[in-house]
Amino acid sequence: DTAVSQTPKYLVTQMGNDKSIKCEQNLGHDTMYWYKQDSKKFLKIMFSYNNKELIINETVPNRFSPKSPDKAHLNLHINSLELGDSAVYFCASSQVGGARETQYFGPGTRLLVL
Amino acid sequence: SQQGEEDPQALSIQEGENATMNCSYKTSINNLQWYRQNSGRGLVHLILIRSNEREKHSGRLRVTLDTSKKSSSLLITASRAADTASYFCATENYGGATNKLIFGTGTLLAVQP
Repeated sequence: DTAVSQTPKYLVTQMGNDKSIKCEQNLGHDTMYWYKQDSKKFLKIMFSYNNKELIINETVPNRFSPKSPDKAHLNLHINSLELGDSAVYFCASSQVGGARETQYFGPGTRLLVL
Repeated sequence: SQQGEEDPQALSIQEGENATMNCSYKTSINNLQWYRQNSGRGLVHLILIRSNEREKHSGRLRVTLDTSKKSSSLLITASRAADTASYFCATENYGGATNKLIFGTGTLLAVQP
């Protein structure tokens, strides 16, 4: 069973469009994250949610809006896509507290904005 | 920037040899983690070392941590072609209700059969 899943795996779209990426985890974790990995493999956190509450927002443009309907899901909606949004977006989850700090990553969504 | 740096950026070795990757970071930490990323895939957690630990082993992996120098190293012994991947260190500081990882720039390891 897939622990952290993302859809779609690939997303090719035109500038100016609005798109969403979905993430689900079946690990029972209470915290979920979105990361962006650019073409140089630089991986940077974007958002973190704990029990559906926004905890981290790393100065991401407000065109990016995460939504957490429940603690097992964290979706990412992007408005007015720009060329610079092209990257691989990774969802991750973890259980905060105790000794369980390991983050489990999804397979990534490869976004290409034309 | 809190971004850590890894050294070397790329490493090519023969199967059976050992591979050593280094990571330096800038802030005080609670723990440091190493992750592997195979081409086109997500990151997989390898090992975690806490700030009060100096060395940790897991199978063919050996991690050291020197908090005075703000550096860590990952040693993979008896490497295999399947170890070919990018390796990232990530530092963590507990803050509130979540744990935020700051990733290094990564080392691309190529193990030649």
